[in-house]
Amino acid sequence: SQELEQSPQSLIVQEGKNLTINCTSSKTLYGLYWYKQKYGEGLIFLMMLQKGGEEKSHEKITAKLDEKKQQSSLHITASQPSHAGIYLCGAGDTGTASKLTFGTGTRLQVTL
Amino acid sequence: GAGVSQSPRYKVAKRGQDVALRCDPISGHVSLFWYQQALGQGPEFLTYFQNEAQLDKSGLPSDRFFAERPEGSVSTLKIQRTQQEDSAVYLCASSLGSWFLDSNQPQHFGDGTRLSIL
Repeated sequence: SQELEQSPQSLIVQEGKNLTINCTSSKTLYGLYWYKQKYGEGLIFLMMLQKGGEEKSHEKITAKLDEKKQQSSLHITASQPSHAGIYLCGAGDTGTASKLTFGTGTRLQVTL
Repeated sequence: GAGVSQSPRYKVAKRGQDVALRCDPISGHVSLFWYQQALGQGPEFLTYFQNEAQLDKSGLPSDRFFAERPEGSVSTLKIQRTQQEDSAVYLCASSLGSWFLDSNQPQHFGDGTRLSIL
């Protein structure tokens, strides 16, 4: 079965600083999804990557999928308190409607 | 509503009781998923519906877990004879995509039901 490792497990950054979260798969990724979760709430969809070398951005968040499609990174520029939460990467087996396997998450705190 | 709705938000039950968790997906979404999330972990897949058909139930931990989606819309996850290890957050997600259509549609999640078994 596919396993996803996220690093770091937790991160504390000062407001305004940049940060990167990594997600590494044991197998080739057929669709990599990034979600954000706040305590007691569901997952909020951020971005989806499918092609090797693909890069997507939304506001101050950029996600990339490497050429070999086994690693993805999420980069936040000029972090804000609103970025705090748990970031989860999820991977599908085949196609976009398949079940997702998730990493254990990266807990981000942004200090003032 | 615009998003996936789950009820109840919190459920406390005594060991051995049966519980039923409800999921109301986004209108028109073909696919519906149930996940279980333990504290400090990522969600783990339980089961998948395409319309009313349960196409994958490989993640259900035991025969005490049962899910249905009789009319292809609202889904119910039922847990019989609950055990303490069933305590977790149960998340429902829906997607416009289907098993056979590669429509590049992400899964949208509800806020979950936090189940505590005493």
